[in-house]
Amino acid sequence: AQSVTQPDIHITVSEGASLELRCNYSYGATPYLFWYVQSPGQGLQLLLKYFSGDTLVQGIKGFEAEFKRSQSSFNLRKPSVHWSDAAEYFCAVGSRGYSTLTFGKGTMLLVSP
Amino acid sequence: EAGVTQSPTHLIKTRGQQATLRCSPISGHTSVYWYQQALGLGLQFLLWYDEGEERNRGNFPPRFSGRQFPNYSSELNVNALELEDSALYLCASSLARAVDTYNEQFFGPGTRLTVL
Repeated sequence: AQSVTQPDIHITVSEGASLELRCNYSYGATPYLFWYVQSPGQGLQLLLKYFSGDTLVQGIKGFEAEFKRSQSSFNLRKPSVHWSDAAEYFCAVGSRGYSTLTFGKGTMLLVSP
Repeated sequence: EAGVTQSPTHLIKTRGQQATLRCSPISGHTSVYWYQQALGLGLQFLLWYDEGEERNRGNFPPRFSGRQFPNYSSELNVNALELEDSALYLCASSLARAVDTYNEQFFGPGTRLTVL
């Protein structure tokens, strides 16, 4: 069975500092990997996705993520965080043909002035 | 283009009652997914409907059920409500099921169910 681990429940970053959110997955084949963001009271917005090919993927809002098969990781990064990035971030894995998503428990990002 | 819509926004029920949540997918999407986001438990997959059929079900009791209508909208029913059913219920839609690839899911804003 597939699973996703986000080891950090909360992270606080100063505005303008760099950010890295960790995600580890467990899946038998090549996974489809996603990062979503959820602002308070909102649904989920897709930041970026990895299906195949280049292991460094670019997303919206200046985010990027790198797929590392050897480490079963798909960490999310941003070089300079803005106060508006404060939200909860979810990593998810999807399986070919079944289309359902398995989510990590999320990382809450707090941005300090 | 309109996104995924859900109604109601908020729903308050008491233990033992039934709740009905509704979802309208993006036009052209035939798959609808339901997820539960409960405090401390994260997002958990509930149900997946495609072309009117239930395709997959998460690890939830049978009192969680649903259906998909001919216009591809969907309804989630929760019977015999329990306090722990209090959660945000998210609906997502995607293009038709594909065997050898993955269709992106687009999420609605959710329905906040509170069970008293």
